[in-house]
Amino acid sequence: EDQVTQSPEALRLQEGESSSLNCSYTVSGLRGLFWYRQDPGKGPEFLFTLYSAGEEKEKERLKATLTKKESFLHITAPKPEDSATYLCAVRSNSNSGYALNFGKGTSLLVTP
Amino acid sequence: DAMVIQNPRYQVTQFGKPVTLSCSQTLNHNVMYWYQQKSSQAPKLLFHYYDKDFNNEADTPDNFQSRRPNTSFCFLDIRSPGLGDAAMYLCATSSVSEAYNEQFFGPGTRLTVL
Repeated sequence: EDQVTQSPEALRLQEGESSSLNCSYTVSGLRGLFWYRQDPGKGPEFLFTLYSAGEEKEKERLKATLTKKESFLHITAPKPEDSATYLCAVRSNSNSGYALNFGKGTSLLVTP
Repeated sequence: DAMVIQNPRYQVTQFGKPVTLSCSQTLNHNVMYWYQQKSSQAPKLLFHYYDKDFNNEADTPDNFQSRRPNTSFCFLDIRSPGLGDAAMYLCATSSVSEAYNEQFFGPGTRLTVL
């Protein structure tokens, strides 16, 4: 059975203090790893898809990387508006082919 | 802008009183999903439609049903809501013609059961 574990559960940063969020996974045949941002009371907002080990994607202050066992979401010089819960999800050969298996998320708070 | 719309955003129902949540999309995606998300937990897939083909997750309670009358609309019916069904219900869509079939979510409906 697929397992997705995100760490830390919560992270508090000062504005400008760079850090990384971790998503470790155990799947049978990865068919995509997805990062989402979720603001309180809202639906998840799609950020990135990663498929192959070594792949990297960037968007503004965010950079996602992928290895065979984990993915990192690096946040460079964060701003208060980056505060949100960041969710990692995987699609694999062991599920229906469409289902995403989500981690519980990392709740990020960036203070001025 | 192309989007996923959910109505209502907030729904209050009574224990045992049937409720229907609505989702519509302007993305023309062929797959639509319903997720349940409880506080501080990961979204949990309930079921999905690939076109008109319905796919139920093995652990989705029988209390939850879904209808997709056309490409644009999908409904979640909770036949007899219990207190444990209070949650955020998220609708998502995807297109199998896209390389990685990314899912795009609506804003969610917050369900309260009294």
